[in-house]
Amino acid sequence: GAGVSQSPRYKVAKRGQDVALRCDPISGHVSLFWYQQALGQGPEFLTYFQNEAQLDKSGLPSDRFFAERPEGSVSTLKIQRTQQEDSAVYLCASSFRRFGQGGAAFFGQGTRLTVV
Amino acid sequence: GDSVTQMEGPVTLSEEAFLTINCTYTATGYPSLFWYVQYPGEGLQLLLKATKADDKGSNKGFEATYRKETTSFHLEKGSVQVSDSAVYFCALQTSGSRLTFGEGTQLTVNP
Repeated sequence: GAGVSQSPRYKVAKRGQDVALRCDPISGHVSLFWYQQALGQGPEFLTYFQNEAQLDKSGLPSDRFFAERPEGSVSTLKIQRTQQEDSAVYLCASSFRRFGQGGAAFFGQGTRLTVV
Repeated sequence: GDSVTQMEGPVTLSEEAFLTINCTYTATGYPSLFWYVQYPGEGLQLLLKATKADDKGSNKGFEATYRKETTSFHLEKGSVQVSDSAVYFCALQTSGSRLTFGEGTQLTVNP
């Protein structure tokens, strides 16, 4: 596609429910990032993939958060047993550059998760 | 660790006014610096970037100069338009690829 696509755009989950958020990066982009953006804050890094390899997951806030990119394209961010503090916008970004090469990333519109 | 500090918002200006949004950073090594913009209902978009000291990034009338001596990357525009109303984020990137963002500055431009 022309840009990074995320689905769903909005998700309401009951506390304790598991959720899965999907990201379709720009075709051919090697690098894929997940960020969490709380209301009124800047995005905060969660995890990074280069192709199918998860090279950095240091930003994941707890072991309830899990991300995968099994074929080096589409990625899924899964949150188990959601809590109210998980309510945020989850942003996906992709880049054609490899780890350490820097450069700008292209962001999707995000998934707004609300835990009630 | 790495961090970015932006001037607090919101900022409200009249059309054709001069804009400055301050950004300072703390980083190990020599970061690349970015400004991203988020228009209402849209995703983050790269506005401009600079990769080394004294570089000036520019786009759509916006400019920012990488000042290593003051660890700053202030965003400026000489004459803002209503369509510039958005949230602006300053960000840095050191070794590796992740971005570290500031908290964002909401800009509203009135006709």
